[in-house]
Amino acid sequence: AQRVTQPEKLLSVFKGAPVELKCNYSYSGSPELFWYVQYSRQRLQLLLRHISRESIKGFTADLNKGETSFHLKKPFAQEEDSAMYYCAPTSGTYKYIFGTGTRLKVLA
Amino acid sequence: GAGVSQSPSNKVTEKGKDVELRCDPISGHTALYWYRQSLGQGLEFLIYFQGNSAPDKSGLPSDRFSAERTGGSVSTLTIQRTQQEDSAVYLCASSLDVNQPQHFGDGTRLSIL
Repeated sequence: AQRVTQPEKLLSVFKGAPVELKCNYSYSGSPELFWYVQYSRQRLQLLLRHISRESIKGFTADLNKGETSFHLKKPFAQEEDSAMYYCAPTSGTYKYIFGTGTRLKVLA
Repeated sequence: GAGVSQSPSNKVTEKGKDVELRCDPISGHTALYWYRQSLGQGLEFLIYFQGNSAPDKSGLPSDRFSAERTGGSVSTLTIQRTQQEDSAVYLCASSLDVNQPQHFGDGTRLSIL
């Protein structure tokens, strides 16, 4: 079965520290890869997608096909980054599989 | 422009009652998804609609759950004979097409007494 694994349910880092949110998927082929974020009292929203190769709010995500990983990274965490993050690989057949999410807490 | 709209935002009902949750997707989005988000859990896929194709109902947890999408736009998720374990936030999302980013509504918080 196709699976998405976000191994950390909770990740706490200090402000200014680097952060890496892990995501591993078990897919054949080349899925489209997304990260979604849900800030407190806001709706779930797209953070970034792999194909855009962009940096959003200082976050980047690198696809490693060999390791089937799509980790989300930011060199210097900010308090406003505290949120719930979901990894979502999407392919033609698997359009709606989300990881279980990682809650990021950035401590002052 | 308007985003995905869900109603009601909150619903409290007694065990055994039927409930209907509504989702109004972004205009022009052909794909529509329903998810369930329970406390401390991730997103659980329920059902997916794509254009005029038959919906993918593989995520519906029991035959008490059903959904329809009329005219390729508004969707209704119905839960019959509600149980306490149905208490959760029900999220709807839409996207332009498959493999495109999903746009989420605020969800309906369902509480079964």
